[in-house]
Amino acid sequence: EPEVTQTPSHQVTQMGQEVILRCVPISNHLYFYWYRQILGQKVEFLVSFYNNEISEKSEIFDDQFSVERPDGSNFTLKIRSTKLEDSAMYFCASSEGVRSVTFGSGTRLTVV
Amino acid sequence: GIQVEQSPPDLILQEGANSTLRCNFSDSVNNLQWFHQNPWGQLINLFYIPSGTKQNGRLSATTVATERYSLLYISSSQTTDSGVYFCAVGNTNAGKSTFGDGTTLTVKP
Repeated sequence: EPEVTQTPSHQVTQMGQEVILRCVPISNHLYFYWYRQILGQKVEFLVSFYNNEISEKSEIFDDQFSVERPDGSNFTLKIRSTKLEDSAMYFCASSEGVRSVTFGSGTRLTVV
Repeated sequence: GIQVEQSPPDLILQEGANSTLRCNFSDSVNNLQWFHQNPWGQLINLFYIPSGTKQNGRLSATTVATERYSLLYISSSQTTDSGVYFCAVGNTNAGKSTFGDGTTLTVKP
């Protein structure tokens, strides 16, 4: 069964550093997403991306976040200057249409 | 935005018991999914079910879209069913899903 692949599975970074989380969505999918889950809390929507542009973003997705599809297969989330409160599990997801979203296994980001 | 409420928040069962998890949502939806988050944090897609009824082994789900709720049934529960069950709904053209707070299921041997 096709999968959404995320790398790395766990990343530790110093506060103030930039991090890039990487994702390879399912190949025939057109919609891409990032979600995050702070430990013990629910999953929160960050951003959706379609046709090489952001189609919707949440209030969490402020200027320190950006997304990019640098080539035909990768989808990245960049956090410019990490804060302690950015520590969370970040999930990439993709879908063929706007329904039935498939999630990756997540990247656990720890900011120290 | 759309509100999602899941109940109960916690559920403890003996192995072999049956259970029903509920998801209420505040608006009409074009997307509803049930996920199981395992102890390693992975979100496993159980059902895509914006309406109707589906079954997959010991699991089944029913969504009554007109009444804005969905139910997830787990029969003959096993210890491996433990984890958090999330309902996620969407009603936008951009594919955004809003998650509920989840139901934490513990199945004891």
